[in-house]
Amino acid sequence: DAGITQSPRYKITETGRQVTLMCHQTWSHSYMFWYRQDLGHGLRLIYYSAAADITDKGEVPDGYVVSRSKTENFPLTLESATRSQTSVYFCASSESRQTYGYTFGSGTRLTVV
Amino acid sequence: QKEVEQNSGPLSVPEGAIASLNCTYSDRGSQSFFWYRQYSGKSPELIMFIYSNGDKEDGRFTAQLNKASQYVSLLIRDSQPSDSATYLCAVNNYGQNFVFGPGTRLSVLP
Repeated sequence: DAGITQSPRYKITETGRQVTLMCHQTWSHSYMFWYRQDLGHGLRLIYYSAAADITDKGEVPDGYVVSRSKTENFPLTLESATRSQTSVYFCASSESRQTYGYTFGSGTRLTVV
Repeated sequence: QKEVEQNSGPLSVPEGAIASLNCTYSDRGSQSFFWYRQYSGKSPELIMFIYSNGDKEDGRFTAQLNKASQYVSLLIRDSQPSDSATYLCAVNNYGQNFVFGPGTRLSVLP
């Protein structure tokens, strides 16, 4: 199916565990983004990528790792999950970082217990 | 710290009325302004964007931009219950990433 897909939709993990959130897009968009959304904070950028093998930090990168070996995939890894990382995570893609809107995936609701 | 501010709401309007959603931003050099709609439990979806001062209309939606006053607004005419959602304002300056506001929750009452 064309579009941007995230998996899993829901995840519960324990503090200290490593967890990876997946993001896959079929448009060959150059840019991909990871956001977290929390009440009172809105969407905050974690990491973004301009192309395969090019990634950069956003506003709140601490505790997260990303990679982009292929244009279509942009996984986000929480190396050692903490309760403060409980959030809804959205992946997005776009042809441009600035001039086009972003298309968001359906999100992953992550709970760290 | 570049900021984008929105009234969190909820903003309640009767069906058929005009809903006015406002957004202010701190970076005077901002160039791109986007509005997203987010239904509860869903992901944001792009509805409007504007780059130049003035009004831009798309169906029932009108985006208004005033760079001198550093605000952008979204008007929804003939509001419908299906417009009930949270509306996110996103602003950026070229060479930088978008900054999203916290969103305004709109409730259209039948």
